[in-house]
Amino acid sequence: EDQVTQSPEALRLQEGESSSLNCSYTVSGLRGLFWYRQDPGKGPEFLFTLYSAGEEKEKERLKATLTKKESFLHITAPKPEDSATYLCAVDGGSQGNLIFGKGTKLSVKP
Amino acid sequence: DAGVIQSPRHEVTEMGQEVTLRCKPISGHNSLFWYRQTMMRGLELLIYFNNNVPIDDSGMPEDRFSAKMPNASFSTLKIQPSEPRDSAVYFCASSSRSEQYFGPGTRLTVT
Repeated sequence: EDQVTQSPEALRLQEGESSSLNCSYTVSGLRGLFWYRQDPGKGPEFLFTLYSAGEEKEKERLKATLTKKESFLHITAPKPEDSATYLCAVDGGSQGNLIFGKGTKLSVKP
Repeated sequence: DAGVIQSPRHEVTEMGQEVTLRCKPISGHNSLFWYRQTMMRGLELLIYFNNNVPIDDSGMPEDRFSAKMPNASFSTLKIQPSEPRDSAVYFCASSSRSEQYFGPGTRLTVT
C-alpha cells in the first residue's frame, strides 16, 4: 500500500535558524512527489514537484530534494512568514491520485 | 485566473439535514478532486473526475456521500443525511497536468 510519512509533526525555529523537514514514502512506482504549504484557514498552496532521484528545486528560502525513499524540504534562514504547515504528497501511479502525508507544522519565532 | 472557487465557505447544519458543497475548477483543467481534511486523518481523497467522468470514488466513506460533475466548470459534493462525524474541511482541487491547485475549502459543522 502506498504510504507517506512526514517528520517531525511540529518544528519550532528561531528566525534565521535553518532546518529540514522529512517526507518518507513507499510507492510501487513514483510518478511525482509534491510539496505544498498550507496556512490556517486556507487550502494547500503548490510549491514544488520532483520526479526523479537527485532532482532539486528551489524557491526563495526553500529547497526540495528527492532520493529513492525520501524527500527533504530545506529551509534556509527562515522568517516568521514561513510559518505554516508543509504537506508532502506522492503520485503513486493511479491517474492523478495523490497520497498526502499529515504534514509538518512549522513555527518560526522572531 | 480566480483559482478554484468553493461555496459556501462555512456551513453549519443539524444532523440529518442534506448538505451540498459546490466547486468551480480552474478553466481548462480536466481533472477535479474532492478531499476531506481533519486533524485526526489529515487530507483524504474522496473522489476524483477526469473529463467530467468519475474515475475513483473508493475514498467516499459511505452511501450518504455522492458527487457529480455535470460539466467542465462545476461539481457538487452532497451529504444526505449528514452526521456529526462528517464535520471537517472539504477541499476541491483541479489540475491539468500533475500538480493540483486547491480551493479555499468549505468548513462543515454538523451539530
